Amino acid sequence: GIQVEQSPPDLILQEGANSTLRCNFSDSVNNLQWFHQNPWGQLINLFYIPSGTKQNGRLSATTVATERYSLLYISSSQTTDSGVYFCAVESNFGNEKLTFGTGTRLTIIP
Amino acid sequence: DSGVTQTPKHLITATGQRVTLRCSPRSGDLSVYWYQQSLDQGLQFLIQYYNGEERAKGNILERFSAQQFPDLHSELNLSSLELGDSALYFCASSAASGGTKQYFGPGTRLTVT
Repeated sequence: GIQVEQSPPDLILQEGANSTLRCNFSDSVNNLQWFHQNPWGQLINLFYIPSGTKQNGRLSATTVATERYSLLYISSSQTTDSGVYFCAVESNFGNEKLTFGTGTRLTIIP
Repeated sequence: DSGVTQTPKHLITATGQRVTLRCSPRSGDLSVYWYQQSLDQGLQFLIQYYNGEERAKGNILERFSAQQFPDLHSELNLSSLELGDSALYFCASSAASGGTKQYFGPGTRLTVT
């Protein structure tokens, strides 16, 4: 099945810093979503972005489907941004499930 | 709020028992997906239903079963529970089957003691 790799696995930043999280996938996809899992376990959907670029406030994402990667940018980090960020993809050639990466754990220090 | 509801939020039960987790999809969504998040396996797809029919199966144990009812809500049944079944169980829904955004519920945290 499709493989999803996220980097870095852990990131510790000072409040106000910017960060870039990366997601590489091994096959062509027709769905790619970025999630933030907060400390209470809730999965918050950040972006649905199988291709192109989107922005939502301090967050933006870019997916280059032909090169099989996606990037999530977080600017001016706040402590509430802490948590685990997951990339999940749906392969063009498999069933309609999402395959999740192992996540990037982001810790923002005040 | 994603519009997907799951009950209960928390469940504590003993080994060998059986539990039922419930999911109501967003209004109008026909697909329901179940995912399990455990410490050692990460987030994994279990099973998908589309308009009442099983559509896709993932790493779902034989002790687990699911169904989607005519009103489109879904239930995940876990039986002969083991300690290793302790996990967060998420339900997601989407309008169609494949290539569409999946909306996730708040999850049910199952603890097996």
